[in-house]
Amino acid sequence: GQQVMQIPQYQHVQEGEDFTTYCNSSTTLSNIQWYKQRPGGHPVFLIQLVKSGEVKKQKRLTFQFGEAKKNSSLHITATQTTDVGTYFCAGSDGGFKTIFGAGTRLFVKA
Amino acid sequence: NAGVTQTPKFRVLKTGQSMTLLCAQDMNHEYMYWYRQDPGMGLRLIHYSVGEGTTAKGEVPDGYNVSRLKKQNFLLGLESAAPSQTSVYFCASSFSGRETGELFFGEGSRLTVL
Repeated sequence: GQQVMQIPQYQHVQEGEDFTTYCNSSTTLSNIQWYKQRPGGHPVFLIQLVKSGEVKKQKRLTFQFGEAKKNSSLHITATQTTDVGTYFCAGSDGGFKTIFGAGTRLFVKA
Repeated sequence: NAGVTQTPKFRVLKTGQSMTLLCAQDMNHEYMYWYRQDPGMGLRLIHYSVGEGTTAKGEVPDGYNVSRLKKQNFLLGLESAAPSQTSVYFCASSFSGRETGELFFGEGSRLTVL
């Protein structure tokens, strides 16, 4: 079945450093979504990518969808303490199921 | 507008007991999902529903049953709880299913099975 792998599992950064998390799917995706979960909270939708090679930006966050639509990345420029949390990618192969990666937990040291 | 509401938020069960988690959404969403979250394993799909009266299995359906008798409600049942079912359970809903749109999550239900 469809599997979504995400790396790294954890990342510790100094405030101001950049951060990237990578997502790979075992199957071609129709779309990929990214979510953020603050400690003790629930996942909150950040963005959805649909087109091959798509790049979207939200302030300091840059999201990319691979040309083959099997991988994606989230890059945060100049991290802040408010970026702390777990970032999940979630993919759909065109069916009704959205499958999540294991997440990357980001720690930011001030 | 409450969004997605889960009850209860916390529950402690003994092995073999049964319980039902209730998820209610007021956004008129067609699609609803139950996920479990365990440390290091992300969110795993248990069951989902594409509309009132329909349910389907996700990645880890064993030991759980679901029902969608009303469009706004999605119930997750544990008939005979096991310690392996200790987890945080999240319900989610979305407006569109195929080519899934944004998932809206509830705040979660923390279940401990002793």
